[in-house]
Amino acid sequence: DAKTTQPNSMESNEEEPVHLPCNHSTISGTDYIHWYRQLPSQGPEYVIHGLTSNVNNRMASLAIAEDRKSSTLILHRATLRDAAVYYCILMSSGGSNYKLTFGKGTLLTVNP
Amino acid sequence: GAVVSQHPSRVICKSGTSVKIECRSLDFQATTMFWYRQFPKQSLMLMATSNEGSKATYEQGVEKDKFLINHASLTLSTLTVTSAHPEDSSFYICSARGQHPEKLFFGSGTQLSVL
Repeated sequence: DAKTTQPNSMESNEEEPVHLPCNHSTISGTDYIHWYRQLPSQGPEYVIHGLTSNVNNRMASLAIAEDRKSSTLILHRATLRDAAVYYCILMSSGGSNYKLTFGKGTLLTVNP
Repeated sequence: GAVVSQHPSRVICKSGTSVKIECRSLDFQATTMFWYRQFPKQSLMLMATSNEGSKATYEQGVEKDKFLINHASLTLSTLTVTSAHPEDSSFYICSARGQHPEKLFFGSGTQLSVL
C-alpha cells in the first residue's frame, strides 16, 4: 500500500484556520486521498476525500497538489471539538477491497 | 449520515473466557465490514475483512482461531475473542462499507479488559 507522511502533532488556536499537511509521494493514479479523524475513546469519523480536484464539505476542505504527491486538510475555523488525531489515508479504487490502512496520524491540539 | 452501532462499549472479563462484540449497520446494508484493534497511543491495526456470507480474510499475524468473525447478514458482523488473555486487552473497532464504497463508517469501539 502507498504510504502517507504526516507531522506527529500540530497546535492551533480556537477560531483560527488549521492546515494539516500530508505527503504521499508514491500515490498511484487510482488512489483516493481520504481523511478521517478520531476523538479520544471513539471510532474514527469520516472527514473528506478526493481524487484530483479540491473538495469542500461542511466539515473541511481538501486541497490536493497538482502532482497529487501531497494534500492539505483545511479546517476553516478550529473549535475545541476539532481536537483529535487526523489520519490521511490512501485508498485504491481498484477492486472491491476498499480497506483502510491507518498510519500514525497528526494529533491536533486546539487551544481556547 | 450512515450509522454503525457497536456493542458493548466496554467489557471486563476473566482470563480464559470468550467475549463477543457486535457491529451493526443501522440504516444501510454493509456488504463488507472491517475489524481493527488499537492499543493505547497507537494507530488502528486492521485485523480482518469480512464479506457477508463468506469467510473473513485475516491480516498477517492475526490468529483466525482466536478472533472468530461472523458476517451472517448484511447488517451484522460479530467478533468473538476466544479464550481471552490479558494481552488481548485492547480497543476493538468495527467499520462498514455501504452504498458509497469509498467511504467507511466506524463503530464507537469496544474497550476490552482481560483480568
